[in-house]
Amino acid sequence: TQLLEQSPQFLSIQEGENLTVYCNSSSVFSSLQWYRQEPGEGPVLLVTVVTGGEVKKLKRLTFQFGDARKDSSLHITAAQPGDTGLYLCAGPNNNAGNMLTFGGGTRLMVKP
Amino acid sequence: GAGVSQSPRYKVTKRGQDVTLRCDPISSHATLYWYQQALGQGPEFLTYFNYEAQPDKSGLPSDRFSAERPEGSISTLTIQRTEQRDSAMYRCASSPSVMATDTQYFGPGTRLTVL
Repeated sequence: TQLLEQSPQFLSIQEGENLTVYCNSSSVFSSLQWYRQEPGEGPVLLVTVVTGGEVKKLKRLTFQFGDARKDSSLHITAAQPGDTGLYLCAGPNNNAGNMLTFGGGTRLMVKP
Repeated sequence: GAGVSQSPRYKVTKRGQDVTLRCDPISSHATLYWYQQALGQGPEFLTYFNYEAQPDKSGLPSDRFSAERPEGSISTLTIQRTEQRDSAMYRCASSPSVMATDTQYFGPGTRLTVL
């Protein structure tokens, strides 16, 4: 079974601070995705990383895929209250088509 | 349609009753997924369809759970003889194909409460 562990589980910070959340596995993934979920809504895809060592930027968000494709990180610069939400990483199950294995999520709260 | 829709949004039922949840995927999407999501946790895979075929139902927790997509579009998830532990958010997602890098678009979910 391919498992994804996310840390920290909860993070509460002040507006303007920087933060990094992590997604780790003992298994190799062909790609990893990051989703953001707001209360009452479904997860929304932020980015897909495919190549080991890849770095992708989305405004104030920087995503990195580990060289060995077993881990990923999401760094947010100058967090804003609108960044509040549940951040999920997910990777495809190598044995089951496009079935996604999700991590447990990091719940981020950015206080004004 | 414009996005993935699910109905009902909320369902409260008594233990032992059967419930059926519905998912309307994005109309052009071949692949449809069902997930179960506990509060504050990531979604857990239940089953998926590629058109009307159901290649994988390994995530269904028991034989009380079944899903259909008879015409390759709308799908239903049925839970028979519901138990309190079935209470959760049930999410549907669709994607253009089964490729691992395809984006999955999630619906708003159905929150099921079993009393």
